[in-house]
Amino acid sequence: AQSVTQLDSHVSVSEGTPVLLRCNYSSSYSPSLFWYVQHPNKGLQLLLKYTSAATLVKGINGFEAEFKKSETSFHLTKPSAHMSDAAEYFCVVSEGSSNTGKLIFGQGTTLQVKP
Amino acid sequence: EAGVAQSPRYKIIEKRQSVAFWCNPISGHATLYWYQQILGQGPKLLIQFQNNGVVDDSQLPKDRFSAERLKGVDSTLKIQPAKLEDSAVYLCASSSAVLTGSYEQYFGPGTRLTVT
Repeated sequence: AQSVTQLDSHVSVSEGTPVLLRCNYSSSYSPSLFWYVQHPNKGLQLLLKYTSAATLVKGINGFEAEFKKSETSFHLTKPSAHMSDAAEYFCVVSEGSSNTGKLIFGQGTTLQVKP
Repeated sequence: EAGVAQSPRYKIIEKRQSVAFWCNPISGHATLYWYQQILGQGPKLLIQFQNNGVVDDSQLPKDRFSAERLKGVDSTLKIQPAKLEDSAVYLCASSSAVLTGSYEQYFGPGTRLTVT
């Protein structure tokens, strides 16, 4: 069965410094992987997705993630944090084998950006 | 393109009462999902519809939760009777996965339910 583990429940960075949010996954099949962001009182928004094409995936707002099969990781990065990046981030795996599109969410990482 | 619409945005009820949530997916999206997000956790799938048929309801507590999508468009999720542990945000999402092969889901703003 697929699962994701977000290694940090809370990450705090200063504005202008790099962001790293870590995610490991478990999957018996070639997974589809996503990062979603959730701002307070707003819906989930897709940041980026990996679906077996290029291993380095670029998303919106300057975020990118690298799929590393050998490490079963899909870490999210951004070179320079902005105050507006403060939010909850979810790493997500899709049950691609069943072709239902069912998403399995990690527990989330709260990103705090300090001025 | 209009996004996924949900109502109400907030609801407070007492335990043992009933409540219903409504979702209108993005036009043309065949697949509709209901998720439950408890505070401090990631969303958990409750039920998935493909048009008006149920694809997956393995995580739906069927003794108290029910959902329908009669005409393959709008959907309602009902809880009867509610328990304290049902306090959560209920998220609706839709996808055009059948048509495009993409699993990208678009989420609504959610309904925050508080059971007292």
